[in-house]
Amino acid sequence: QKEVEQDPGPLSVPEGAIVSLNCTYSNSAFQYFMWYRQYSRKGPELLMYTYSSGNKEDGRFTAQVDKSSKYISLFIRDSQPSDSATYLCAMTATSGSARQLTFGSGTQLTVLP
Amino acid sequence: GAGVSQSPSNKVTEKGKDVELRCDPISGHTALYWYRQSLGQGLEFLIYFQGNSAPDKSGLPSDRFSAERTGGSVSTLTIQRTQQEDSAVYLCASRLGAGGGYTFGSGTRLTVV
Repeated sequence: QKEVEQDPGPLSVPEGAIVSLNCTYSNSAFQYFMWYRQYSRKGPELLMYTYSSGNKEDGRFTAQVDKSSKYISLFIRDSQPSDSATYLCAMTATSGSARQLTFGSGTQLTVLP
Repeated sequence: GAGVSQSPSNKVTEKGKDVELRCDPISGHTALYWYRQSLGQGLEFLIYFQGNSAPDKSGLPSDRFSAERTGGSVSTLTIQRTQQEDSAVYLCASRLGAGGGYTFGSGTRLTVV
């Protein structure tokens, strides 16, 4: 069993829809949670960074962490065709420079105009 | 530079040949990471550098893989006697230090034929 599970999709939604992306994990030591967006043939770029449980909002993006359920979510409001990409969740137990991230396998999202 | 630069962007090599992949991190970033991304898979950690030393090389899949970093800057990932299962996108990321986010390069797409 992988430490981080993520539904690979693909997920296709109409423009303007609310998108929900999710990951589950098994390692209770994880405390720092991230969402990355990866366009085709590009490296991942950091979208959201959260510590421990709770919500964090940034524009059209909201990240939620429920440590009791070992479940994290990314919501995209008013989705745009430019949001079409692969979304990767990532997490780690430590905050120091030595931390390596454990990634989900990514969810491929297409927003149709 | 402004971002993390990787070269070559694409590499096709014959099985059994050696390859070198290069990463030029953001100037001043002390931490450097190599990850591997196979089709449909998440990012797999390979090795971490702090300055020129590699305190964590636990992700290197075999002794055919090695990496070095010189001058606290450029890093080279070497794969000897390449195998078809080495085909993947090799991503490099750098980080300023504790508390900063990773910045990824666009990767090197390696195909072993």
